[in-house]
Amino acid sequence: GENVEQHPSTLSVQEGDSAVIKCTYSDSASNYFPWYKQELGKRPQLIIDIRSNVGEKKDQRIAVTLNKTAKHFSLHITETQPEDSAVYFCAASIQWRGSQGNLIFGKGTKLSVKP
Amino acid sequence: EPEVTQTPSHQVTQMGQEVILRCVPISNHLYFYWYRQILGQKVEFLVSFYNNEISEKSEIFDDQFSVERPDGSNFTLKIRSTKLEDSAMYFCASSDRTGVRNGFTFGSGTRLTVV
Repeated sequence: GENVEQHPSTLSVQEGDSAVIKCTYSDSASNYFPWYKQELGKRPQLIIDIRSNVGEKKDQRIAVTLNKTAKHFSLHITETQPEDSAVYFCAASIQWRGSQGNLIFGKGTKLSVKP
Repeated sequence: EPEVTQTPSHQVTQMGQEVILRCVPISNHLYFYWYRQILGQKVEFLVSFYNNEISEKSEIFDDQFSVERPDGSNFTLKIRSTKLEDSAMYFCASSDRTGVRNGFTFGSGTRLTVV
């Protein structure tokens, strides 16, 4: 089955700097790659996603890149702010009949943005 | 904005007891899921449900677990004989037919504590 590796497990940056989190996946059939932000004690919230027919997607300060050949995808956060501090999870799945299928998550990256 | 509702928010149960976790998915969604997150760890897929039957399940979802959609609105997860290691946050999720962004939505979770 699918296996998703995520690194680093912790990341500390200064406010205003960029943060990059990287994930690799094992199943070449996976075609949907969302990123979730989870604040302490709360549900994961989708922040951006990308499908395998796209190499890059951007939404304001957040961007995701996908390299299908290498089977890795990355989250880029620019101009980080203290409120970006949270645990970020990548995930992969095979979409079928419109469903996201089962999401296989990475182990998470705890991002700390220091003011 | 439509939400996935989960009850209770926190449940404490004795080892060996049966628990039922309840979820009300978003009304026009067709795909339903349960995930769990042990404290400080990643989110893990348990089961997906479509067209009144299980479509996928993980190794975690053994004979102690079952899901049901008893009426048109509720989606339940039953654990027959709870173990200490079942203590976790359980998230319900649902998604729509098209699978577009924000179609996949997590509930706020039920924290299950087995003592």
